[in-house]
Amino acid sequence: EAGVAQSPRYKIIEKRQSVAFWCNPISGHATLYWYQQILGQGPKLLIQFQNNGVVDDSQLPKDRFSAERLKGVDSTLKIQPAKLEDSAVYLCASSHNRGRRVQYFGPGTRLLVL
Amino acid sequence: DAKTTQPNSMESNEEEPVHLPCNHSTISGTDYIHWYRQLPSQGPEYVIHGLTSNVNNRMASLAIAEDRKSSTLILHRATLRDAAVYYCILRDSSNFGNEKLTFGTGTRLTIIP
Repeated sequence: EAGVAQSPRYKIIEKRQSVAFWCNPISGHATLYWYQQILGQGPKLLIQFQNNGVVDDSQLPKDRFSAERLKGVDSTLKIQPAKLEDSAVYLCASSHNRGRRVQYFGPGTRLLVL
Repeated sequence: DAKTTQPNSMESNEEEPVHLPCNHSTISGTDYIHWYRQLPSQGPEYVIHGLTSNVNNRMASLAIAEDRKSSTLILHRATLRDAAVYYCILRDSSNFGNEKLTFGTGTRLTIIP
C-alpha cells in the first residue's frame, strides 16, 4: 500500500512570497489533515477534511493560509503572503473514517522563509 | 483537550527494555490513549493505542494504570532504529468525525549502542 505523498520536500522563499504544498493521501482514506510542526515542537493541526468538506479549521490562520481538497482526494495548502514565523515542516496525514482511525503521515515539506 | 505530561528525554541501552511514562490525570471516560513516534526527518507514525486494558502489538506494549491516570509504553528490546520522539496523546472518541490528535512535545528517546 502506497503511503501519503507530499511535494515538494523542501522549499525556500522570501517573506511576502506565496507558496503551495500538495498532498496525495492513501487511497480510500476519507479524512485528510494538515499539520504545522515548528522546530522543537509537536505537530499542530491546521485543518481537517472529511472527503471534500472542512471538519475543523479552528487553528488555521485564515488571513494568509488556505486549503482545499477538490474531489475529496488530493489537497493543497497555500500560504500567501508568507511570514518568517511560517518556517516549519508541513505534514499531511490521512485516515479511514471507520475502525481504528489511525493517522498515516507523509514525510512533510520543510519550508524556510527568509 | 485533556493534557498529557511526559519526560523531555530518556536514554536506554541497546537491546534492553524501555519504559516510557505518560501522566494524564484529567483523562475522561471517552479518551483513548494513543502513542505515536517520530523518527528523525520523518512524519509521525502510529505505535499503539488503548482504552482500559493493556495492549500488545508487534511494535510495543501499552500498560494502562487501573485509574487510567497514567500509562507506560514498553519497548521490549530497544534497537538503534527506535531512537525517536515518542508522543502520548489522548484522543476523544465521543466527537465522532473530529477525533483530532493534539501533540505535546513528547519524549526524545536516545538509544546507546
